[in-house]
Amino acid sequence: SQTIHQWPATLVQPVGSPLSLECTVEGTSNPNLYWYRQAAGRGLQLLFYSVGIGQISSEVPQNLSASRPQDRQFILSSKKLLLSDSGFYLCAWLPGQQNEKLFFGSGTQLSVL
Amino acid sequence: AQTVTQSQPEMSVQEAETVTLSCTYDTSESDYYLFWYKQPPSRQMILVIRQEAYKQQNATENRFSVNFQKAAKSFSLKISDSQLGDAAMYFCAYDMNYGGSQGNLIFGKGTKLSVKP
Repeated sequence: SQTIHQWPATLVQPVGSPLSLECTVEGTSNPNLYWYRQAAGRGLQLLFYSVGIGQISSEVPQNLSASRPQDRQFILSSKKLLLSDSGFYLCAWLPGQQNEKLFFGSGTQLSVL
Repeated sequence: AQTVTQSQPEMSVQEAETVTLSCTYDTSESDYYLFWYKQPPSRQMILVIRQEAYKQQNATENRFSVNFQKAAKSFSLKISDSQLGDAAMYFCAYDMNYGGSQGNLIFGKGTKLSVKP
């Protein structure tokens, strides 16, 4: 069966420090992968999505970047964190075309102090 | 651009009773998906129900059902026989349908549902 792993679950980082959040999917190949962010008291907002290795689309201009070095690995990064980068980050995947359901990971709570 | 609006920041229901959560959306597309997601305190996003815009029949999943009014661009969620475990944030979401879901969901701001014993 397919599973999605996202880590770490919580992270506290100082302003100006780098960030790397990792997401991996098992049990499938060539999935579409997504990074969403949920700010406090808000709904989710799509940050990045990828339809294949090395293919990244950005939905919102920001201090973050994403990479997909392997088929089932999706990484969210920042060189220098800002206070406004705090939030709950969710990785998600879609099995591909003709699918109707997005599967979410368990999320990472990032606090930038 | 597509938007999703949930006008009820908080709702409360007595256990075993019925509650309806509201959602409206704006789009110029004719074919799309609408979703209700539940986010309990664990913050795991759980799909509750999904509706395809070209299907006139309202979707149902056990105690959960929707009232989909395409012309009015309204998509409400009805929870029957409410249970304590239904307490959570509920998000309405929209996705385009280009031969399947695209995964680029647009979410509302959510409705916090409390269930009173």
